Amino acid sequence: EADIYQTPRYLVIGTGKKITLECSQTMGHDKMYWYQQDPGMELHLIHYSYGVNSTEKGDLSSESTVSRIRTEHFPLTLESARPSHTSQYLCASSEVGYSHFGPGTRLTVL
Amino acid sequence: AQSVTQPDIHITVSEGASLELRCNYSYGATPYLFWYVQSPGQGLQLLLKYFSGDTLVQGIKGFEAEFKRSQSSFNLRKPSVHWSDAAEYFCAVKTSYDKVIFGPGTSLSVIP
Repeated sequence: EADIYQTPRYLVIGTGKKITLECSQTMGHDKMYWYQQDPGMELHLIHYSYGVNSTEKGDLSSESTVSRIRTEHFPLTLESARPSHTSQYLCASSEVGYSHFGPGTRLTVL
Repeated sequence: AQSVTQPDIHITVSEGASLELRCNYSYGATPYLFWYVQSPGQGLQLLLKYFSGDTLVQGIKGFEAEFKRSQSSFNLRKPSVHWSDAAEYFCAVKTSYDKVIFGPGTSLSVIP
C-alpha cells in the first residue's frame, strides 16, 4: 500500500544530542517536504526537495539539515538538539496535485 | 507575497449544526486550494482540493468548499457536524513552485 512513514513518532532527548528524523514514502514522488508545527500553531515549511540530490531551505529558518540520496527517503538531521527545537515535524510528499502527509514526529528536547 | 488567512482561531458548534470555516488567500495567479484536517496527534489528511472547473467541490466526510475568485475565498462547509469532526482544519494554497502555504488553522470543538 502506497504511503508515507515517519519514525520515530515520539522522541524525548537531551540537549546536545544528534538526532535524525526518518521519512520514507512508497509512492515514487519526486517532491518531498519537511514542515515544523508548534502546538496549536500553523505549519511552516523548513525544507523541500524536488528529487534526488535536490534540497532547498524553506520559508522558516531551521538549524536542521536534510539529504535526498534516494527518491523514497528524506531524512532530517539535527547535529546538536536544543530545547528550542522542541516541536512537531511533519514530512510530506506530492505529485501533481496535493501533498500526502506522514503522521509526524513529536520531538521534545530537554 | 502569497498568504493564507483563517480569521477564526477557534469555533465551537453543536453536534448536528451546520459549519462554515473561512479561508482567504492572496495569490496572483489561479490558485490550487486545499483543505486539510488534523486530528490530535495525527498527520494531515486531505479533505478536498480545487484546481479548476466547478467552483463548488465535494470532499470526504461530507465536507464541501466553494471557491469565490472575487472574494479570494475558499470556505469549507458541512451541513451537519458530527462529534468526530472535532479537529484542527487548515486551508492551504499551492504556489507555482509547488510549495504549499498553510493558513494558521481553525480549531473546531463539537458540543454533544
